Amino acid sequence: AQTVTQSQPEMSVQEAETVTLSCTYDTSESDYYLFWYKQPPSRQMILVIRQEAYKQQNATENRFSVNFQKAAKSFSLKISDSQLGDAAMYFCAYDDMRFGAGTRLTVKP
Amino acid sequence: SQTIHQWPATLVQPVGSPLSLECTVEGTSNPNLYWYRQAAGRGLQLLFYSVGIGQISSEVPQNLSASRPQDRQFILSSKKLLLSDSGFYLCAWSLGPRNEKLFFGSGTQLSVL
Repeated sequence: AQTVTQSQPEMSVQEAETVTLSCTYDTSESDYYLFWYKQPPSRQMILVIRQEAYKQQNATENRFSVNFQKAAKSFSLKISDSQLGDAAMYFCAYDDMRFGAGTRLTVKP
Repeated sequence: SQTIHQWPATLVQPVGSPLSLECTVEGTSNPNLYWYRQAAGRGLQLLFYSVGIGQISSEVPQNLSASRPQDRQFILSSKKLLLSDSGFYLCAWSLGPRNEKLFFGSGTQLSVL
């Protein structure tokens, strides 16, 4: 079965700086999708970014981008120009089924 | 536009009591439906998913069951709650399997005492 590991329970970043959240996964499949979801204090889960495994190009969404290393089974999220509203729990997910334990991101003003 | 409704928002139940959480989706047809549980300080665990009416797949054998009596209705149930059933329950839907993003409900905080 697929597993998703987020090794950083907590991270902090200074406002306007860049932070990278790590995610690794285990699978024997070659075609799959990876996601980063954000859960702010309201607890409403929101999609941040999606990556298709067969695409070599890293996905980007405004200030959010990923570093997808398929061979290494690594899928990190980079947040540039961090804003106070980025403070949240971030979850890495494999397809719709497997979620990591999450990383709590704190943004310091 | 599509919306998802999940209720109640908060629930406190005694051990041994039954449970029924309901989730409905509007504005789409034949969605994939999911129930997740988030234990305190932990990630999401997929409990059940459904690709159609009456079709339920269970990911984790446990004290809970799910049903899909209508296309856009998904119900999570238990006959007798355990203390370990406490957690934050999230319903979600997607347009298709795997490659589609999930749209989440607002969640139900269940406390079993």
